[in-house]
Amino acid sequence: DQQVKQNSPSLSVQEGRISILNCDYTNSMFDYFLWYKKYPAEGPTFLISISSIKDKNEDGRFTVFLNKSAKHLSLHIVPSQPGDSAVYFCAASREGSARQLTFGSGTQLTVLP
Amino acid sequence: GAGVSQSPSNKVTEKGKDVELRCDPISGHTALYWYRQSLGQGLEFLIYFQGNSAPDKSGLPSDRFSAERTGGSVSTLTIQRTQQEDSAVYLCASSLGLAGGNIQYFGAGTRLSVL
Repeated sequence: DQQVKQNSPSLSVQEGRISILNCDYTNSMFDYFLWYKKYPAEGPTFLISISSIKDKNEDGRFTVFLNKSAKHLSLHIVPSQPGDSAVYFCAASREGSARQLTFGSGTQLTVLP
Repeated sequence: GAGVSQSPSNKVTEKGKDVELRCDPISGHTALYWYRQSLGQGLEFLIYFQGNSAPDKSGLPSDRFSAERTGGSVSTLTIQRTQQEDSAVYLCASSLGLAGGNIQYFGAGTRLSVL
């Protein structure tokens, strides 16, 4: 059972426009959510996170929105830049565990110049 | 070190052989995780170490997999009698611990190919 789902394997956007990456989860015990970016042959790099007590967290061009009732979160990147082209993973963790991350399968973002 | 270091970066082995993968976490990080990423999949949790506590092995897929962490720092993941389905990228991550949301920082991974 996939507890964290990224239903779009790929997304293409034009440079300067907004990129919206989506993530759904099924486990209501998750209380912390993270987005990682991964370039080929590199490990995932932490981007931004959000606690379940918040509904929005912003860091520069990156904003994460959390809708707990819908068990849905999204990552907005604006404006998108060609260097943002990478695979983006959504991850979640819950208290009481080892805080291991449960990952989605990733979305390949391509920003076209 | 500045980041999580993993070695080797690539490993090709024959079915049935044992392999050892090494992880050197960020200095001062007490928590260490192993994950693996199979082709086209997300990352799958394998094992977790926190300080001197007993490791959480709940993600290990079989008893052919084991890991140890010496001196609270370097960790080795061992896969015995490798099978073709063990082919994956094995990623190590470290963090400061469980405070807050526990942001984990990843190494570049070891790509294991079992022929």
